[in-house]
Amino acid sequence: AQKVTQAQTEISVVEKEDVTLDCVYETRDTTYYLFWYKQPPSGELVFLIRRNSFDEQNEISGRYSWNFQKSTSSFNFTITASQVVDSAVYFCALSEAPGGTSYGKLTFGQGTILTVHP
Amino acid sequence: DTEVTQTPKHLVMGMTNKKSLKCEQHMGHRAMYWYKQKAKKPPELMFVYSYEKLSINESVPSRFSPECPNSSLLNLHLHALQPEDSALYLCASSHGAWDGLGGNEQFFGPGTRLTVL
Repeated sequence: AQKVTQAQTEISVVEKEDVTLDCVYETRDTTYYLFWYKQPPSGELVFLIRRNSFDEQNEISGRYSWNFQKSTSSFNFTITASQVVDSAVYFCALSEAPGGTSYGKLTFGQGTILTVHP
Repeated sequence: DTEVTQTPKHLVMGMTNKKSLKCEQHMGHRAMYWYKQKAKKPPELMFVYSYEKLSINESVPSRFSPECPNSSLLNLHLHALQPEDSALYLCASSHGAWDGLGGNEQFFGPGTRLTVL
């Protein structure tokens, strides 16, 4: 069975602070995908990143960066110089690779509510 | 076009009503999904359509009936709902399992906020 744990329920920071959102996962699959989604107050889930299990390269996109460590089953997300517009619920998710019987099933973490104060 | 659209944005219905939620995507995706999301919770998968066929039904009550008329459209027919069915209903789409187009990230629509009285 797959499981995703986001231990931080809520995080509150002041603008320009750096913030890291933690994600720990469990799976028996040898090939899998990890995702981060952002859900602002408007409600729409916005796809941020996909990471394949065989690619442990870290990624940076503007103020966002992701640290994937297979050895610790973690896929953490850092926002540098946070802004008020970053306020949202962030979900980490896990899925098996295409070809499996459960293709399409995303296992979500419980989400982390990030509030960035001006 | 990387957009998934959903109509209506808001819906209020009585327990005896019949209504439908609609979802459309023009990204050429061959997998489409319905999720239900309660406040302060992650989305819960309801149904998956893969190549226009229902591939996953997460033991959803029969008062929810999905339909995939073609590869771009997904409907969710609602009948005799209960107040506890009030939630945000999200549609998503992704590449199909056999498209050979890489990852299966799902792109979500803005959702329909449903209230059952």
